[in-house]
Amino acid sequence: GESVGLHLPTLSVQEGDNSIINCAYSNSASDYFIWYKQESGKGPQFIIDIRSNMDKRQGQRVTVLLNKTVKHLSLQIAATQPGDSAVYFCAEISSNDYKLSFGAGTTVTVRA
Amino acid sequence: NAGVTQTPKFRILKIGQSMTLQCTQDMNHNYMYWYRQDPGMGLKLIYYSVGAGITDKGEVPNGYNVSRSTTEDFPLRLELAAPSQTSVYFCASSILYEQYFGPGTRLTVT
Repeated sequence: GESVGLHLPTLSVQEGDNSIINCAYSNSASDYFIWYKQESGKGPQFIIDIRSNMDKRQGQRVTVLLNKTVKHLSLQIAATQPGDSAVYFCAEISSNDYKLSFGAGTTVTVRA
Repeated sequence: NAGVTQTPKFRILKIGQSMTLQCTQDMNHNYMYWYRQDPGMGLKLIYYSVGAGITDKGEVPNGYNVSRSTTEDFPLRLELAAPSQTSVYFCASSILYEQYFGPGTRLTVT
């Protein structure tokens, strides 16, 4: 079936640098995409979302970019901090049933 | 608001035993979900509910059952535990798109 996946399983970033986490999706019918952050031993936490009719959305220190032509989603984290160390998941959802489909995740490690 | 709460936090079961994972939300959300997360993997949907009295299967429902008698509670039942059900289980709730997750239950079946 169609699924959402991430390009790289791990990402090591120097504190203060910007991070870019990538995600490829295959379901062109999805109309909503979400990035979640999961810290060790905790449940996923909502970071930012974007509708399929948008190509960019900004939050506090985070930006999500959506390229529907190549079915690519990315999360940019500005000035990465130690507290940003976590596993990041992209997920897609359809307004038909509000069921999330998750990728495998990217583990981000911030180096001091 | 406590958000989404799950009990227990940890549990060890023997093969063939049964148990119920509890999930409660106090946000008056209509939608509730159960996921399992295996090591190094993303979350897979087990069951979901769009409101009290309504439940439906997700991607991996075999070996599990759910009920939704109230808006607040969405328990997950394992009838005959198997080693393949060793996982971390997350409950979530939502109004529409943004799902709020509980802290998880770590289950080991030996």
